[in-house]
Amino acid sequence: QQQVKQSPQSLIVQKGGISIINCAYENTAFDYFPWYQQFPGKGPALLIAIRPDVSEKKEGRFTISFNKSAKQFSLHIMDSQPGDSATYFCAASVGDTNAGKSTFGDGTTLTVKP
Amino acid sequence: NAGVMQNPRHLVRRRGQEARLRCSPMKGHSHVYWYRQLPEEGLKFMVYLQKENIIDESGMPKERFSAEFPKEGPSILRIQQVVRGDSAAYFCASSPVGALETQYFGPGTRLLVL
Repeated sequence: QQQVKQSPQSLIVQKGGISIINCAYENTAFDYFPWYQQFPGKGPALLIAIRPDVSEKKEGRFTISFNKSAKQFSLHIMDSQPGDSATYFCAASVGDTNAGKSTFGDGTTLTVKP
Repeated sequence: NAGVMQNPRHLVRRRGQEARLRCSPMKGHSHVYWYRQLPEEGLKFMVYLQKENIIDESGMPKERFSAEFPKEGPSILRIQQVVRGDSAAYFCASSPVGALETQYFGPGTRLLVL
C-alpha cells in the first residue's frame, strides 16, 4: 500500500519556539501535499497545502518546505503557541480525479508549553 | 454555510448488530469520501462517492461494509454484523467540483462495538 511516513510521533515545544514535523513519501505520482490540524473530538481541518512545482509555501506562521528529489516535505510552525497544541497529519494524493483520495501519515501530537 | 455534518457523533453497537453512519456534505459539494481512523493512527481511505455512483472503493473491506450516496439525502456508510475491530472513528469529507483536493471533514462518528 502506498505510504506516507510521518515523524516524530509526538513533539513538545516551548511557547515561541519552532515546531517541525517531517513526512516522506514513496509514490512519485503524488502531486498534492496537504497538512491537516486535528483537535480532540474534531475532524481534521486543512491547514496548508503545496504542489511539487514549488519548494516552499508560507501562510502566516505555517510554512511547508518541499524537497522533490528527496521525496520529503515538512511543516514548520513559527512562534508556536499553546493554541497550536493538536495532532497534525500530512497527506498526499494523486491527480485531479483522485485528488480527494488521500494517503495520510500517522500523525504528530504537538504540545506547546506556555 | 454549514459544514460537513455527520450523525450520530457516537454510536455503540453490540457484536453482530448493524451500524449506519450518515454524512451530509457541504452545500454544493457532490463528492464524498469516507475515512476510518483507528486510535493513534492516521486516517485510512475507504471509499469515494459521487451522487448515485461509487467512484473508488479500493479501501473498503470486501465484506460487511457498504456505502451509498443517493440522489437525495445523506451519504450512508453501513457496517453489517459489526465486530470489535470495527471500533474506530469514521470521518466523512466532501469536496466541490473543480477542487477535489480541497477536502472539508466532518466531526466524525465514533463507533464502539461491545
